[in-house]
Amino acid sequence: AQSVTQLGSHVSVSEGALVLLRCNYSSSVPPYLFWYVQYPNQGLQLLLKYTTGATLVKGINGFEAEFKKSETSFHLTKPSAHMSDAAEYFCAVSDITGNQFYFGTGTSLTVIP
Amino acid sequence: GAVVSQHPSWVICKSGTSVKIECRSLDFQATTMFWYRQFPKQSLMLMATSNEGSKATYEQGVEKDKFLINHASLTLSTLTVTSAHPEDSSFYICSARDNIQSTQYFGPGTRLLVL
Repeated sequence: AQSVTQLGSHVSVSEGALVLLRCNYSSSVPPYLFWYVQYPNQGLQLLLKYTTGATLVKGINGFEAEFKKSETSFHLTKPSAHMSDAAEYFCAVSDITGNQFYFGTGTSLTVIP
Repeated sequence: GAVVSQHPSWVICKSGTSVKIECRSLDFQATTMFWYRQFPKQSLMLMATSNEGSKATYEQGVEKDKFLINHASLTLSTLTVTSAHPEDSSFYICSARDNIQSTQYFGPGTRLLVL
């Protein structure tokens, strides 16, 4: 079985500061990994994903994440937070078919001006 | 690319009526679509997996007779909430799996309020 843990349900950063959202997973086989962002009253938008290849993945809006197999982690980072980054962020894991997604509980990011 | 739409985005209905929500993949074909429910400040809860041309697979605890799912084409799945009650009020989100990329793309969600 697979599971996803997002440490910190709420993260606050100052505008311009580094954003770090943590995601750890448990999986018996190498998974596919995803980060989604959800703005209020909207669906989920794919930020980035890792399937195979380069472990550092760049996504939209300046976000990136690094797959570290030894640490079973896929933390999301952005060098400089912008006010528009305030949203809910979900980490997800799937098998290679993409049929079974396991979501973390989400991290609410607040950006302080 | 990889756009999923949902209709309606907002619906208010009286208790006892049925509501249909449509989920469409606009620029790709999706053999498999998914229906999720999201409660305030919580993560997504998978309700069912919808496969084109066959019966949906429901998660444990989800009433199949209450949440009817039809996936009649490769671009359209519908969720019908039958005899809706106030406790069915929620945010319903669909996703469609891109067969090639094995990635789920999500719709914008439908907020249902049952009075």
